[in-house]
Amino acid sequence: AQSVTQLDSQVPVFEEAPVELRCNYSSSVSVYLFWYVQYPNQGLQLLLKYLSGSTLVKGINGFEAEFNKSQTSFHLRKPSVHISDTAEYFCAVSGGGADGLTFGKGTHLIIQP
Amino acid sequence: GAGVSQSPSNKVTEKGKDVELRCDPISGHTALYWYRQRLGQGLEFLIYFQGNSAPDKSGLPSDRFSAERTGESVSTLTIQRTQQEDSAVYLCASSLLLPEIYGYTFGSGTRLTVV
Repeated sequence: AQSVTQLDSQVPVFEEAPVELRCNYSSSVSVYLFWYVQYPNQGLQLLLKYLSGSTLVKGINGFEAEFNKSQTSFHLRKPSVHISDTAEYFCAVSGGGADGLTFGKGTHLIIQP
Repeated sequence: GAGVSQSPSNKVTEKGKDVELRCDPISGHTALYWYRQRLGQGLEFLIYFQGNSAPDKSGLPSDRFSAERTGESVSTLTIQRTQQEDSAVYLCASSLLLPEIYGYTFGSGTRLTVV
């Protein structure tokens, strides 16, 4: 069984400041890790994913995440945020194939002008 | 179609009534998932369909919930005798085999409000 913990339910940050959204996971098997973004009244959109290889993964909209196996973390970062980044961000883990995705509770990123 | 389509987008129903939610996946996607998203919560897995195999119903919260899928096309999620705790956004996702490689595509969801 897998689980995902997103430590912050809300993260307020000023526009053009950097941001880090934290994600920790637990699993007894090798995992694939994902970050999704959900804009108001929309479905989930994939930001980036880690399958294997380089632990630093770059995604869309200037986001990146680093897989840290020893700390079982997959934190999401962006060096400079914009108002348009205001959304709910979900970290998810999968064991692959039919396992589907196990999601964290989400972090609401609030960008302040 | 180009994306995963869900209908209705919003549904308000009276407690005790039955509701049916529809998901139209991307053509050719063999896998289909239903998730429930309660206010302030993450996504909760409900049910998974893969091709013609028996569905994985392990996430259904009670026997009031059921889902069907015709082959590799449309799926319907039915909630009988709705309760206020059923109020949530119900999201559908579809994928090819090896979704970790090819990705999951989510619909925009159905917002269900039980009054």
